[in-house]
Amino acid sequence: EVQLLESGGGFVQPGGSLRLSCAASGFAFRSYLMSWVRQAPGKGLEWVSSITGSGYNTYYADSMKGQFTISRDNSKNTVYLQMNSLRAEDTAVYYCAKSQSRWHGNSEVYWIEPWGQGALVTVSS
Amino acid sequence: SNVLTQPASVSVAPGQTARITCEGNNIGINSVHWYQQKPGQAPVLVVYDNSDRPSGIPERISGSNSGNTATLTISTVEAGDEADYYCQVWDSSNFHYVFGTGTKVTVL
Repeated sequence: EVQLLESGGGFVQPGGSLRLSCAASGFAFRSYLMSWVRQAPGKGLEWVSSITGSGYNTYYADSMKGQFTISRDNSKNTVYLQMNSLRAEDTAVYYCAKSQSRWHGNSEVYWIEPWGQGALVTVSS
Repeated sequence: SNVLTQPASVSVAPGQTARITCEGNNIGINSVHWYQQKPGQAPVLVVYDNSDRPSGIPERISGSNSGNTATLTISTVEAGDEADYYCQVWDSSNFHYVFGTGTKVTVL
């Protein structure tokens, strides 16, 4: 059974930092694109960042470039999200996500299955 | 850029059919995926690649995609179908997920 277990969420003051971890099990971790998706209270889903299986390539939402850093340790089956200079608007549940893919025409497309249970990050003074 | 628009809410009586739309420019050429999210829970995949269902998802949940609209159809709606639903496509040019605005389904 595939499992994604986030940790590291909590309360932080504006300007502070936090590192989320996601421990994965039940699949060949190094073979999969992993991502973080967040959801602010009462709002929709917002993609944050993705990292390829090797860890060589990382991708970020424009609004989070330079503020967040995604990484992974394939020896520990864990993906991380380092969040710096946090602001109140970064308050959200952060979900770890395992990607599935299929070729659609001449391009590979991705979807998420499964999602982790989420880690709540609250930024407030 | 990919902008996916969903109705904010859909209301349906038990036993009836709910249709949730996801509108985007030429979305019909994309592969669309759908998630169900119940209050306080993580999203769950219910349809992938326009119309395929993961194991464990009932046949009364189905998807279609054509032109500028993708549709998630829930037949014979039950109280347990009450949830938020999100469509999603993959932006291969920028290598990122794009989510729809989300639809709250209320079972009357």
